[in-house]
Amino acid sequence: EAQVTQNPRYLITVTGKKLTVTCSQNMNHEYMSWYRQDPGLGLRQIYYSMNVEVTDKGDVPEGYKVSRKEKRNFPLILESPSPNQTSLYFCASSSFLDGLDSEQFFGPGTRLTVL
Amino acid sequence: QQPVQSPQAVILREGEDAVINCSSSKALYSVHWYRQKHGEAPVFLMILLKGGEQKGHEKISASFNEKKQQSSLYLTASQLSYSGTYFCGTPVSVLDQGGKLIFGQGTELSVKP
Repeated sequence: EAQVTQNPRYLITVTGKKLTVTCSQNMNHEYMSWYRQDPGLGLRQIYYSMNVEVTDKGDVPEGYKVSRKEKRNFPLILESPSPNQTSLYFCASSSFLDGLDSEQFFGPGTRLTVL
Repeated sequence: QQPVQSPQAVILREGEDAVINCSSSKALYSVHWYRQKHGEAPVFLMILLKGGEQKGHEKISASFNEKKQQSSLYLTASQLSYSGTYFCGTPVSVLDQGGKLIFGQGTELSVKP
């Protein structure tokens, strides 16, 4: 089954304690992205990756790191989480065949609370 | 700059129609539409790749007016299952198609029996 998986699904942590949210896709997609969703603000892109070892900032990259060492995985790292990073996080992947835009497949989401 | 969706919220009775608009102050290169039910991930509805394109699936369709820099989503004879938040998304630039999307703030649609 084609899917994007994220772990953990729920996480409560404390300020300053480093954490990693994993994301994996089994569709051999080139593009992967991380979004955060907050009430009234929609989906805001944090980082995206066009392929292995190629990443770029989205709209709200401050306080986050990413890496893309393998095509299927795109972990999101919070080195020193703060309460304003409490949010719902989605990972997504998409292909870019023949230069045409295509749908984004979203993971199930990770609800993060930073105390 | 984030696309602007209107209305922000709409309440319908089953069987009624609705239109959700997505406008941008910048050129639109393609437009994505997604629906998100409460507590779930956004789900792809359709993508319009060029101006003038119209697409439809069952009773949900969309149009893309490249000149006016806007897209509209049409929901016909709404069903209870249509309830959710609808998002439009568009590439930040023509070079960013495929990955770097910016989404509107969402339109919350509630269908009542």
